Amino acid sequence: QKEVEQNSGPLSVPEGAIASLNCTYSDRVSQSFFWYRQYSGKSPELIMSIYSNGDKEDGRFTAQLNKASQYVSLLIRDSQPSDSATYLCAVSWGGFQKLVFGTGTRLLVSP
Amino acid sequence: DAMVIQNPRYQVTQFGKPVTLSCSQTLNHNVMYWYQQKSSQAPKLLFHYYDKDFNNEADTPDNFQSRRPNTSFCFLDIRSPGLGDAAMYLCATSILGRNDEQFFGPGTRLTVL
Repeated sequence: QKEVEQNSGPLSVPEGAIASLNCTYSDRVSQSFFWYRQYSGKSPELIMSIYSNGDKEDGRFTAQLNKASQYVSLLIRDSQPSDSATYLCAVSWGGFQKLVFGTGTRLLVSP
Repeated sequence: DAMVIQNPRYQVTQFGKPVTLSCSQTLNHNVMYWYQQKSSQAPKLLFHYYDKDFNNEADTPDNFQSRRPNTSFCFLDIRSPGLGDAAMYLCATSILGRNDEQFFGPGTRLTVL
């Protein structure tokens, strides 16, 4: 059974701080890794994709992947109240690009 | 703008009354997915299409069916909704072989009375 694990939170950070979100996965042959942001009552929005070990930066977001440790993280710099949402980690095992999602970490950024 | 559209955004049905949810896309993606998401849970894949090839997840109840009449449209039919089927239903699309990225529509919130 392929699994993706996330701390449900909430993770509370003050405005302007760095938020660090973590995700572990169970299968060593995982190929692709994604972070989705989901506001309450809305659908998931893709914010970051990462495919190889190391860091990938996009604006205030940095994704980090360590396949040996089966670990992927998302850093949000200069956190804003508008970043308050649930962040879903998703992992693909190839084939028809099926994703398995974690249950998400709720982030709260206080002004 | 290219996008994934779901209709209706909110659907109320009665216990046992069939309901159909629709998804359309202007992205020209060849893979379409249906997910079910309940409150505070991860999206759960129900099935997906690669072009017209239908792929059902092993644990998707028979009560859920799907149709994809063409590249742009996909439908989710719930033949006899139960109270446990109340959820957000999400349609997503992707291009096979391109980085596995999936893009979601806005979802349909289903209420079963």
